[in-house]
Amino acid sequence: EPEVTQTPSHQVTQMGQEVILRCVPISNHLYFYWYRQILGQKVEFLVSFYNNEISEKSEIFDDQFSVERPDGSNFTLKIRSTKLEDSAMYFCASSVGLAGVDTQYFGPGTRLTVL
Amino acid sequence: SQKIEQNSEALNIQEGKTATLTCNYTNYSPAYLQWYRQDPGRGPVFLLLIRENEKEKRKERLKVTFDTTLKQSLFHITASQPADSATYLCALAPYSSASKIIFGSGTRLSIRP
Repeated sequence: EPEVTQTPSHQVTQMGQEVILRCVPISNHLYFYWYRQILGQKVEFLVSFYNNEISEKSEIFDDQFSVERPDGSNFTLKIRSTKLEDSAMYFCASSVGLAGVDTQYFGPGTRLTVL
Repeated sequence: SQKIEQNSEALNIQEGKTATLTCNYTNYSPAYLQWYRQDPGRGPVFLLLIRENEKEKRKERLKVTFDTTLKQSLFHITASQPADSATYLCALAPYSSASKIIFGSGTRLSIRP
């Protein structure tokens, strides 16, 4: 069964460094998403992406964050200058249709630790 | 302000009984409501979606209801099993932003043998 994959599974970085989290969505999906989950807290929407542009973004997704689909398979989240409070699990997801009306498939996550 | 509340942080029930989880929301007009399962350290797994014009949806041992007057959804697992132990998340997609899913904080369900 097709699945969303994410690399790396765990990323440790120093505060102020840039990180890129990578995702390979399911191949026939059209909508792509990033979420984060701080330990013990709720899953929070960051951004949705469709047709090579951002559809929606949350207040969390400020100028420090960016997303890109550099080729036909990868979907990346870049954090330009990491802060301690960026430490969280980051989940990528994809869906054929809009997430509100269609099944959204989540990846296994990347645990980001900022020291 | 907009809120999604899952009324129990944790629920502990005996195997074989029906588990009922509650999701309440305020200041949203959701077009769709979804339920997910999340195991520790894993991503959420989609279970069911119910539209605002649907009162009830079933899938095997799962049943979801959606009452837009009460602004509430109930999620039932019948004949519960220890393997059903997980955190269950309620999520909304508002009319205005159908690609922006908002999650509740979840209810941790434990089924004891």
